[in-house]
This record gives sequence, structure tokens and C-alpha cells, in this order.
Amino acid sequence: RKEVEQDPGPFNVPEGATVAFNCTYSNSASQSFFWYRQDCRKEPKLLMSVYSSGNEDGRFTAQLNRASQYISLLIRDSKLSDSATYLCVVTSGSSNTGKLIFGQGTTLQVKP
Amino acid sequence: DTGVSQDPRHKITKRGQNVTFRCDPISEHNRLYWYRQTLGQGPEFLTYFQNEAQLEKSRLLSDRFSAERPKGSFSTLEIQRTEQGDSAMYLCASSLGSVRFFGPGTRLTVL
Repeated sequence: RKEVEQDPGPFNVPEGATVAFNCTYSNSASQSFFWYRQDCRKEPKLLMSVYSSGNEDGRFTAQLNRASQYISLLIRDSKLSDSATYLCVVTSGSSNTGKLIFGQGTTLQVKP
Repeated sequence: DTGVSQDPRHKITKRGQNVTFRCDPISEHNRLYWYRQTLGQGPEFLTYFQNEAQLEKSRLLSDRFSAERPKGSFSTLEIQRTEQGDSAMYLCASSLGSVRFFGPGTRLTVL
């Protein structure tokens, strides 16, 4: 079993749609959680950190359920520029400065 | 540009050759990480440094791979006797706190 599991997609949605991505992780000791965005042939860039209370940044909302070891990302009012791969990321163990474990990524394609 | 830089951006080599990649982190960042990414997969952790100390190495890092960060600033990743399976994007990241900032990567192709 992979340490971080994501549905690779692709998710093909029209502009303006709401889309949700989910992720599960296996290490209950993980303390920090992130969503990174990766454009084709580019490096990953931090989209947002994920907190237990849930957090929102504009059109993006992230949720964490520690009991279920489940992380989600909701994108509202999708834009063409949201087309990318979204990587679910957790820290390995209790340290937030050690290695990150990445999911396979979920590909989003927003169509006009 | 004050972000993480990597050199070279692309490297094509023949099987059996040695290659070395360089990473320059963001200047005040004390932690530096190496990851490898193949097509359709997320980045896989290879190793990380806090200042000049190498604190963790993945089992992926076979004895053909070695990484150094001699003065706690830039880092090098060397692959000896390259194999076709080493073809991948090699990503470097740096951090001061919990957020890692990635460089543009070095794309290695082993023929």
C-alpha cells in the first residue's frame, strides 16, 4: 500500500465547475499536510497547507480528517489556469522538517 | 532570481557514465532535500541535509548515489555508473521551516 494515495484522474471539468480531490495517508504520526500544484514539466509549488480546522484560500478549501487519515481539496469556480496536477503531501512521522511523502498526483483539466 | 537553482537543467548521458548535479538553495535556508520524480508519479524522497549534516537517506539511494553539502550551502548529487532506470527528474528543495521550496529540477536521460 502506498503511504499517500490519490486518484490520478484525469478530472476533466468545464470552466466554472466545482471539483473535489481526495487523498488518504497511512502514517497516523504525520503532523503536517499540504497540497502542492505541479504544472507540466515544472517543479511542484505549494498551493496551501492543510489544518485540522479546515482552511480556505480564495476559491480553494482544504480539509483534514485525522481520524480517517483523509485530506481533501475543493476548487470552486474552476478556471482554465487551474489545469495542473495536484499533489497531496504529508510529512513522514512527527517531524515537520524531515522528508515529505507525495501522492501520485491528481490531474485536473479545465475545459472552456 | 532568489529561488532554488539547479544545474544543469538537462543532462543526457550514456549508460555507465557518472553524472553530477548541483543545487543552490535559498540563501538563508538550512535544510536541503533531494527528490526524484518519474513520469506520472509524485516526487520520491532521496535524502536531506540540515546544514552540512546528512540526516536521512532513502533506501532508493543505492551505493551508486552520493550526496554532499560540504559547507552547508550548495549541494551535489552524484550518480555513478548510470543505468537506464536512473532516467528521471531530480528535484532539489530547501526550507527554513515546514514549507519546502523546489528548484526547477535536472532532467536526466540515460541512453
